[in-house]
Parts: sequence; C-alpha cells; structure tokens
Amino acid sequence: AQSVTQPDIHITVSEGASLELRCNYSYGATPYLFWYVQSPGQGLQLLLKYFSGDTLVQGIKGFEAEFKRSQSSFNLRKPSVHWSDAAEYFCAVVRMDSSYKLIFGSGTRLLVRP
Amino acid sequence: SQTIHQWPATLVQPVGSPLSLECTVEGTSNPNLYWYRQAAGRGLQLLFYSVGIGQISSEVPQNLSASRPQDRQFILSSKKLLLSDSGFYLCAWVPPRAGARYEQYFGPGTRLTVT
Repeated sequence: AQSVTQPDIHITVSEGASLELRCNYSYGATPYLFWYVQSPGQGLQLLLKYFSGDTLVQGIKGFEAEFKRSQSSFNLRKPSVHWSDAAEYFCAVVRMDSSYKLIFGSGTRLLVRP
Repeated sequence: SQTIHQWPATLVQPVGSPLSLECTVEGTSNPNLYWYRQAAGRGLQLLFYSVGIGQISSEVPQNLSASRPQDRQFILSSKKLLLSDSGFYLCAWVPPRAGARYEQYFGPGTRLTVT
C-alpha cells in the first residue's frame, strides 16, 4: 500500500538559515508527489508537485524539492527561510486509482527563530 | 478561474445537535470532491470523496455523512454531534481533466467546536 512518512514532527530554524524537510514515500511505480503548506487556521496551499521529468522541481515562495527514486524521498528545501514561512508542511502522494485520493504524511511544523 | 468556498468559517455546536457544512466550487464542472478532518495537532483524515453527483464513498465509519446534491456542491452532515467531531474540516477538489494530474485544491476550512 502507498504511504508517506514525514519523520520530523517539529523543526526550528533561524531566519535566514537554510531548510530541508524530509519526506519518504512507499510506492512501486513513479509516484505523483506534492508538498502543501498550511498556515494556522487556513486551508492547504500547494507549494509544488512532481509527476515526471526533471527531479528537481521549483515551487512557489522560493521552495524546491528533489525527487530521489533510489531513496524513495521527496525532500523540500529552501535556501533562506523567512519568518513568514512558519507553518505546517505536508507531503502527499496520489493514490493511483479512480478516486485520486491523496495520502498525506503526518506533517512537519516549522518554527522560525528571529 | 476556479474557487472553492466553505461555509460557515467557524461553528460552535452542543453535543447531540445536528451539523451541516457546505462546500461549493466555482468555475469548473464535474470535479472530484473531498472532505477531510484535521483534529488538533494531527494530520489530515480523509472522510468522504465523490466522483460525481450522488456518488459518495466513505473512508471512515462514523456518525458523519456526506451528500452531493449538485455537481459543484458537497455537504457534510451529522444527525447528532459528538465531542470527538470537533476539528478543522477541509473540502478539496480535483479538476476533471486528465492534464490536471490529480492535484487537489483546498478550501479555507471550517473550524467546528463541539461543546
């Protein structure tokens, strides 16, 4: 069965520092992968997606993610974090049947130190 | 452009009272629609999804139900709320065209507190 693991529940970084949020997936074929961000009390916003092709994908707000098939990973990165990036981040994979359901990781809460 | 609305934004209801949350999508037709619940400090739990009018699939057995009376309207209901129904309810949609590649777009959510 498909699954997504985000091993870090919380991560704290200083403003201006680089960021990497980890995501591991379980799926036999090439997965469709997503990163979403959720600010407190808000819905989820799509940051970026990977379907095929170039394994380094660029998203909004200066985020990027790299798909590594050998490691079953899709880690999210940002070279310099801003205080406004403090939020919860969810990695997700599409369940490949007619439902198109997303399977979400448990999320990583990012705290940014001034 | 497409937009998704959820109503109400916040709701406080006593235990045992009924519930009706509404989700509507504009600017598209025949979308897949989804209801998620997010309990405090936890991830997203898929409750229901719908691939068309009157077609509802339940993911988790509970005292909630869903209906899709119109193409772009998705309703989440309960006859009697439980304390455990408190949470943040999110509606999402997927465009019907294959080129959209399954990405889901989320509404702003409804915060439900059962007292």
